[in-house]
Amino acid sequence: QKEVEQNSGPLSVPEGAIASLNCTYSDRGSQSFFWYRQYSGKSPELIMFIYSNGDKEDGRFTAQLNKASQYVSLLIRDSQPSDSATYLCAVKRSGAGSYQLTFGKGTKLSVIP
Amino acid sequence: DGGITQSPKYLFRKEGQNVTLSCEQNLNHDAMYWYRQDPGQGLRLIYYSQIVNDFQKGDIAEGYSVSREKKESFPLTVTSAQKNPTAFYLCASHIRGTGELFFGEGSRLTVL
Repeated sequence: QKEVEQNSGPLSVPEGAIASLNCTYSDRGSQSFFWYRQYSGKSPELIMFIYSNGDKEDGRFTAQLNKASQYVSLLIRDSQPSDSATYLCAVKRSGAGSYQLTFGKGTKLSVIP
Repeated sequence: DGGITQSPKYLFRKEGQNVTLSCEQNLNHDAMYWYRQDPGQGLRLIYYSQIVNDFQKGDIAEGYSVSREKKESFPLTVTSAQKNPTAFYLCASHIRGTGELFFGEGSRLTVL
């Protein structure tokens, strides 16, 4: 079974620092990668998606993708206490007509004021 | 406003009872999904449907059933055959092209 691996954390960073969240995946044919944020007791919400190798920036968030290393990461600059949540990495499964996402177990981030 | 509505938000069930979780979307999305989340775990795919009157098993379909009679609706039944049904259930729908999923607010099922 295709897998997505994340460090479970918790990852603690001081307010204003950069938080770095990492994810590796086993399906070499995967083309689409997603980062979701999930607050405790709530449903996941999409932060970013990335398809191409390299960096993609959106405000304080930067997604980085390295398909050769099967690695995707999320950087959060100027971390705020409101960023404290669990971050889920998701990978779209390869295969014609497949729209399924495989999720990692998530990394819990705690931003300390 | 467009979105996905799940009900009920909280549900308690006695062992041996079937329960049905509702999922309705007005986003005009073709594909819909049911995921299960356990504490400290990622989301695991139960069932998905890409068009009306068609659905496929996901990774953990045993003990669950679904129907897709309308594009807007994708209810999930948790049967008594599901050995450990206590979990957070998430319904999602899919945007073609990007692949991203939109989620409902979830239904938390507790078996007493």
